[in-house]
Amino acid sequence: QVKLLQSGAALVKPGASVKMSCKASGYTFTDYWVSWVKQSHGKSLEWIGEIYPNSGATNFNEKFKGKATLTVDKSTSTAYMELSRLTSEDSAIYYCTRPNWGDVMDAWGQGASVTVSS
Amino acid sequence: EIVLTQSPTTMAASPGEKVTLTCRASSSVSYMHWYQQRSGTSPKLWIYETSKLASGVPNRFSGSGSGTSYSLTINSMETEDAATYYCQQGSSYPWTFGGGTKLELK
Repeated sequence: QVKLLQSGAALVKPGASVKMSCKASGYTFTDYWVSWVKQSHGKSLEWIGEIYPNSGATNFNEKFKGKATLTVDKSTSTAYMELSRLTSEDSAIYYCTRPNWGDVMDAWGQGASVTVSS
Repeated sequence: EIVLTQSPTTMAASPGEKVTLTCRASSSVSYMHWYQQRSGTSPKLWIYETSKLASGVPNRFSGSGSGTSYSLTINSMETEDAATYYCQQGSSYPWTFGGGTKLELK
């Protein structure tokens, strides 16, 4: 079955960067976009952006341009998201998802917690 | 950006009770998706394209709506339905989510 396995929790200092991974299995990685979603503690969900593994094409929420960088490694069916210049506002759980039929996120990773603290 | 407003923010329902959650969009959207999130777990796709149940979702759930007004209905509340439900639109970028409705068991 479709699985998205994310990297573990990270504790990072303000101003630093963090790179997280999302390894896909159970489907052809290059046939589907990979999307990323942010959930701040106890709050709702924010769509960050998406990447198409086959071409590297991306779409971003304007709010996250300059903050998030999306890449993929087709050889390992893994998507990556790097967050830069971290502040306390970036402390959250980040999910990778698989959008199917355009924008229907039918599979979600287990989430990766990022805590920004000195 | 299309803003989605869910109501109520929180509600409690008794077993067997009929429940209706609503989601209003600031502009017309083609369809709405719904996700269920239980405490400490990832969101799960629950209803897509307004009214289609995701795999494994009990048929006591249904979805309806059009334009700017959408709803998720539970015909008869069960214990396992206690969770937070989020609506999401993908008709235009950026995709957006509602603030969520936390449904508790009374």
